[in-house]
Amino acid sequence: AQSVAQPEDQVNVAEGNPLTVKCTYSVSGNPYLFWYVQYPNRGLQFLLKYITGDNLVKGSYGFEAEFNKSQTSFHLKKPSALVSDSALYFCAVRPQLGGATNKLIFGTGTLLAVQP
Amino acid sequence: DARVTQTPRDKVTEMGQEVTMRCQPILGHNTVFWYRQTMMQGLELLAYFRNRAPLDDSGMPKDRFSAEMPDATLATLKIQPSEPRDSAVYFCASALGSFRDTGELFFGEGSRLTVL
Repeated sequence: AQSVAQPEDQVNVAEGNPLTVKCTYSVSGNPYLFWYVQYPNRGLQFLLKYITGDNLVKGSYGFEAEFNKSQTSFHLKKPSALVSDSALYFCAVRPQLGGATNKLIFGTGTLLAVQP
Repeated sequence: DARVTQTPRDKVTEMGQEVTMRCQPILGHNTVFWYRQTMMQGLELLAYFRNRAPLDDSGMPKDRFSAEMPDATLATLKIQPSEPRDSAVYFCASALGSFRDTGELFFGEGSRLTVL
């Protein structure tokens, strides 16, 4: 079965500290991987994606993510957290096989809380 | 500023009533998704369309839900009759949908439905 796992419901970090939000996936073939962010009472916004190439991808608002094929992970990172980064973060995968090439499979989301 | 527009933003209704939610995808996008978000289930894909044709509605309860695209600028999601368990935030998203499409979805702000 194709799936995405975000093992942490919530991540707490102090402002200025580095943050990591974890994501692992299980799909057939080489997936496209995404991170989206959702602020309160808003829709999801695209942050970054990995398609191919360099395993470290950079996205919006200073976020980056590292693709690790051997560990089937795609963790979201930021060197220095801001209070304004507090939001719900979703990892998503688009499988390349099985005919489901248009559907994104979303994880359950991780709430990031950055304390001042 | 291209965006996905959803109406209504908030809807409170009584059990048994018909509810219709509308979505205007970004001009030029030919793939439209309907997602439902609840605390318990997270983000669930209900249905999606390409070039106005339904490609997958396996996530949608068929007995009471229906999704259509009367034209390229309008997608609708209808619930009849509504039940309290349908209370959720319903998101519409659109995507480019061509062979160049790498999966980025553009989400609307959502329609918050409360069924009493």
